[in-house]
Amino acid sequence: DAGVTQSPTHLIKTRGQQVTLRCSPISGHKSVSWYQQVLGQGPQFIFQYYEKEERGRGNFPDRFSARQFPNYSSELNVNALLLGDSALYLCASSLRRDRRTEAFFGQGTRLTVV
Amino acid sequence: AQSVSQHNHHVILSEAASLELGCNYSYGGTVNLFWYVQYPGQHLQLLLKYFSGDPLVKGIKGFEAEFIKSKFSFNLRKPSVQWSDTAEYFCAVTPGYGGSQGNLIFGKGTKLSVKP
Repeated sequence: DAGVTQSPTHLIKTRGQQVTLRCSPISGHKSVSWYQQVLGQGPQFIFQYYEKEERGRGNFPDRFSARQFPNYSSELNVNALLLGDSALYLCASSLRRDRRTEAFFGQGTRLTVV
Repeated sequence: AQSVSQHNHHVILSEAASLELGCNYSYGGTVNLFWYVQYPGQHLQLLLKYFSGDPLVKGIKGFEAEFIKSKFSFNLRKPSVQWSDTAEYFCAVTPGYGGSQGNLIFGKGTKLSVKP
């Protein structure tokens, strides 16, 4: 079975540009979460979506937005990129959003802002 | 705000040595605790978890962790490490009964290097 897939794997953007990252959850999983992992730090929670609705938001500026589609895939958008947005962006999916349901992570999208 | 502290940034051990990685969290209520592992070039994987009950939990690959409520700690242990345990280890928490494993607070991670 395919795990969580993210695209693209790497990309380079210029300051001020906009970027869209994509995530396909494991088949049947209805919850998708996004994390930002800056080099040398642990993942930091950005958003959680469940059944196409936002169910949690971390401490990130409004430049960050996301959505979940009817097939449960998800996109993370970042506008007006800053150098500090350079990071590994991780997507995680789970069947449900309760505390006992394991979340499975993708391998991430490495974003470099120059 | 809730936070997770991992005391060691980089730990270097020889094979067969015992391992203990420290993790402390700041949250006064009920918590759900996790350890994740990230092997080189691979995605994050759940190593073990604690929700309630027996404070000593066992995970995959011979790892275990002990929840000490009075110390707000959830330290990871393994009696004898192998070269294949070389990885980065993350402690994570989500609060309460309404918490979700999709909304985790992670520590900064501890890189473990095991010398053959």
